[in-house]
Amino acid sequence: DAKTTQPNSMESNEEEPVHLPCNHSTISGTDYIHWYRQLPSQGPEYVIHGLTSNVNNRMASLAIAEDRKSSTLILHRATLRDAAVYYCILSVYSGGGADGLTFGKGTHLIIQP
Amino acid sequence: GAVVSQHPSWVICKSGTSVKIECRSLDFQATTMFWYRQFPKQSLMLMATSNEGSKATYEQGVEKDKFLINHASLTLSTLTVTSAHPEDSSFYICSARDQTGDIQYFGAGTRLSVL
Repeated sequence: DAKTTQPNSMESNEEEPVHLPCNHSTISGTDYIHWYRQLPSQGPEYVIHGLTSNVNNRMASLAIAEDRKSSTLILHRATLRDAAVYYCILSVYSGGGADGLTFGKGTHLIIQP
Repeated sequence: GAVVSQHPSWVICKSGTSVKIECRSLDFQATTMFWYRQFPKQSLMLMATSNEGSKATYEQGVEKDKFLINHASLTLSTLTVTSAHPEDSSFYICSARDQTGDIQYFGAGTRLSVL
């Protein structure tokens, strides 16, 4: 499976934008870039995904480099509830949808009040 | 977003007994569900892919006779840990893939402690 590299942790202030980077230099042409986050003792939560173009939804924005070897998850205005481990995952599709996910270590995002 | 319910949220059992965990998609039909395991301070690891009406596909190193998966309906998958031992103690999490095929919605997880 293609691998992603993320910083172990990042810290930001409440109500500030947060940019979470992810490197995936071995991405293949058909891999989608998915982001999930996990709060302590809970199941992961879907954040956003994309293939080539930048994507926006109500939770975040995803900026994908032109060569697709890196991407950045953008939280426009962080709140304390955004403190979580954020996972950048390359997703392979087969059999009608995305396969089971390969989680790395993720980035532990700390939000300071 | 869609809701996936997982039950029980925690269970304590004696060594040698079996434990069943249920995963339900409450407001959508899920042809495909997944089971993951997470040990303390580690990341989630995919155990198996469960497709409605067919046998589950297990990841390398996961014993299919120990972790029995049944996906008999479009809204329910179950994981049974048979003859549980202390090393099976972990956080078990299910997910259901939505009908677009893009997104997995996760349950809240089941914490299993085997004494």
